[in-house]
Amino acid sequence: DTAVSQTPKYLVTQMGNDKSIKCEQNLGHDTMYWYKQDSKKFLKIMFSYNNKELIINETVPNRFSPKSPDKAHLNLHINSLELGDSAVYFCASSQSGSPDTQYFGPGTRLTVL
Amino acid sequence: LAKTTQPISMDSYEGQEVNITCSHNNIATNDYITWYQQFPSQGPRFIIQGYKTKVTNEVASLFIPADRKSSTLSLPRVSLSDTAVYYCLVGDDTDKLIFGTGTRLQVFP
Repeated sequence: DTAVSQTPKYLVTQMGNDKSIKCEQNLGHDTMYWYKQDSKKFLKIMFSYNNKELIINETVPNRFSPKSPDKAHLNLHINSLELGDSAVYFCASSQSGSPDTQYFGPGTRLTVL
Repeated sequence: LAKTTQPISMDSYEGQEVNITCSHNNIATNDYITWYQQFPSQGPRFIIQGYKTKVTNEVASLFIPADRKSSTLSLPRVSLSDTAVYYCLVGDDTDKLIFGTGTRLQVFP
């Protein structure tokens, strides 16, 4: 009964490929997020969706495209992968009235070769 | 843009009290201060949250001065299992939620 789940846990791919990471939450939250954590452990928000609508879009290359088919899912598609995209990507969710209390998934470690 | 800064790392021994401070000069007036703990290969998880003065739960205490420009997470009597990275999270005056730079705590036996 994992609260926030992500697949895959590990993703190794070549430069130039397109890949997707999936996220699902069963907490009934209406806000979901994608974060990127680099090798120095800095956590940077990429996107935030509330009830399937994009509400935060930080300065992220447009090769990254989030998609929210419903409020329990927020997927991240990445086109034309680059070496600098290698990182751990975390999905998180929260209730819309409590954005500072977030529940994180286990992360997806993306390695671009 | 708000800067939310923390010491990069701290070392401690089992049984000691550890205090980790986060500086957040541009914190929004109405926002809470939240702290998260992250173990290796896991996502961050919520530890404690407060608005002002002091908050205590079964895991930690959070001290917030009157100006709210900083906060201190206090872990009493740490154990080896408290070895983790600790982050503060605050909202700035542009309504952005920003994670601190993270503090890597290493507890030694």
